Amino acid sequence: EIVLTQSPATLSLSPGERATLSCRASQSVSSYLAWFQQKPGQAPRLLIYDASNRATGIPARFSGSGSGTDFTLTISSLVPEDSAVYYCQQRSNWPPITFGQGTRLEIK
Amino acid sequence: EVQLVESGGGLVQPGGSLRLSCAASGFTFSSYWMSWVRQAPGKGLEWVANIKQDGSEKYYVDSVKGRFTISRDNAKNSLCLQMNSLRVEDTAIYYCAREGQFGSGNNWFDPWGQGTLVTVSS
Repeated sequence: EIVLTQSPATLSLSPGERATLSCRASQSVSSYLAWFQQKPGQAPRLLIYDASNRATGIPARFSGSGSGTDFTLTISSLVPEDSAVYYCQQRSNWPPITFGQGTRLEIK
Repeated sequence: EVQLVESGGGLVQPGGSLRLSCAASGFTFSSYWMSWVRQAPGKGLEWVANIKQDGSEKYYVDSVKGRFTISRDNAKNSLCLQMNSLRVEDTAIYYCAREGQFGSGNNWFDPWGQGTLVTVSS
């Protein structure tokens, strides 16, 4: 089973700042990694797929990078509605499909 | 508009059974893999099971193998999860999710339903 480790667990930043979220895989997942955003009381929403491609309707301030075992989700200029929990997910080697434990992003 | 609506959640005693359903609309249901993903209260996401377009392939996370069964009815645009021998640790919101195909040919969860809460408690 591929384990995804996200860091930091919590991130607290101000509007306009840049957020950098990390996801590390226990073995290579090539570029088969996605990022999801989940706001309180809502279902997760796909942000990034294949490591670096934005899903339909996702603002350009969200970007993904990385391949192999190290991945990054960057939010270039934070706005209050970016406050959420962010999860990475792999399906390079499945089953099982696995998720990271999440990073909580707080906007001050 | 693509919509996924789960139902069937509720309170059940340990050892009991529950059947979840997911009604799909706004897309050609029979063309997509479908998944169930769960989230225990205050915890992260855990993939539970998925099923191929024609139902010929099904996969499960180890913790539910032999207890849960995923199925689909393409004529009714419906996805189901039969859950038997339920345990306290199965308590979670259960989401159904479409596995959309994207550039690499890989599948990604998009979109998700709003979820249905399953509580296993005596």
